[in-house]
Amino acid sequence: AQSVTQLGSHVSVSEGALVLLRCNYSSSVPPYLFWYVQYPNQGLQLLLKYTSAATLVKGINGFEAEFKKSETSFHLTKPSAHMSDAAEYFCAVSDLKAAGNKLTFGGGTRVLVKP
Amino acid sequence: DAGVTQSPTHLIKTRGQQVTLRCSPKSGHDTVSWYQQALGQGPQFIFQYYEEEERQRGNFPDRFSGHQFPNYSSELNVNALLLGDSALYLCASSLYLTDTQYFGPGTRLTVL
Repeated sequence: AQSVTQLGSHVSVSEGALVLLRCNYSSSVPPYLFWYVQYPNQGLQLLLKYTSAATLVKGINGFEAEFKKSETSFHLTKPSAHMSDAAEYFCAVSDLKAAGNKLTFGGGTRVLVKP
Repeated sequence: DAGVTQSPTHLIKTRGQQVTLRCSPKSGHDTVSWYQQALGQGPQFIFQYYEEEERQRGNFPDRFSGHQFPNYSSELNVNALLLGDSALYLCASSLYLTDTQYFGPGTRLTVL
């Protein structure tokens, strides 16, 4: 069975500081990995995805993530936080089995950006 | 290009009642998945529909059932509602067996 662990349910950063959100996964097959963002009272928006191409993946809004197989990690970073980055972030894994492509999510990390 | 739409936005029910939630997929998509997101948690996979059949199912009781129509839209039905069914229900659409799912805004269900 697949699983995702996000370290830290809450992260507080100052505006302009580095944002680092940690994600570790468990999968018996080569995984597809995703980061989604959820703003208050909204659905999930795809930030970026890893699908076995380049290990460093660039996404929207200046975010990027690096796939490290040896560490089973897919951490999300942004060099300089903006007030609009305040939201909840979810890491997810999928294995694209023949029966479907269900996503398994981590518990989420809520980001607070201080002015 | 219309994205994934869900209705209603909010719903209040009492214990024991039944509820139906609706989802229209993104244009061109043929697969619909449903997720339950309890307060403060990540989304949990309920089931996925393709070609009007349930293709995958998560760890949810039979009280949760679904349907997909020929136009690819989908319904989620929950019978005998429990207080613990209170959650945000998210619909996601994709092309079958492709990697990316696109989410709708969700339906907030409150069970009193």
